[in-house]
Amino acid sequence: DAGVTQSPTHLIKTRGQQVTLRCSPISGHKSVSWYQQVLGQGPQFIFQYYEKEERGRGNFPDRFSARQFPNYSSELNVNALLLGDSALYLCASSLASGFRGSYNEQFFGPGTRLTVL
Amino acid sequence: GDSVTQMEGPVTLSEEAFLTINCTYTATGYPSLFWYVQYPGEGLQLLLKATKADDKGSNKGFEATYRKETTSFHLEKGSVQVSDSAVYFCALSGDFSSGSARQLTFGSGTQLTVLP
Repeated sequence: DAGVTQSPTHLIKTRGQQVTLRCSPISGHKSVSWYQQVLGQGPQFIFQYYEKEERGRGNFPDRFSARQFPNYSSELNVNALLLGDSALYLCASSLASGFRGSYNEQFFGPGTRLTVL
Repeated sequence: GDSVTQMEGPVTLSEEAFLTINCTYTATGYPSLFWYVQYPGEGLQLLLKATKADDKGSNKGFEATYRKETTSFHLEKGSVQVSDSAVYFCALSGDFSSGSARQLTFGSGTQLTVLP
């Protein structure tokens, strides 16, 4: 079975540009979460989407946005890129969002490495 | 808010040595606790988990016990192998009463290198 897939693998942008990252969850998973991992640090939570609705948002500026499609795939958009946005962006999928009182294990993709020059 | 404090790295051990990576957390209620491993160039893989106090998670020779009284979840392995070289992250998912149950909060990671 295919795991979580992300595209592209690597991306180079310049300051001020906009970027779109894509994620396909494991088949049957309805929840997608996005994390930012700056070099040398642990991942930081950006968004969670479940059934196409935003269910959680981390402490990131409005330049960051996301959406989930009817097939449960997801896109993360970042506008007006800053040098500090350079990071590995990780997508994770799970069966549900965890709101029903039990933790749903999150499965991570390989990430998209974004470099902002 | 929730936070995870992890032992600073890097850690370098010889093959077959004993491994301990310390992890303590701050969270309200009863969070779920996890150890993830990240091999070079790859995403995160769940290594083990514990969802209630005194639970012991174990996998591939690694163990960690959820200690509510000391708010700790230290990772241990009795005999490390070269193939265990990776970055290890301690993480928590908040108690449902805290509103942070749907996200993972990670520590800063510990780089482990095992020499033959």
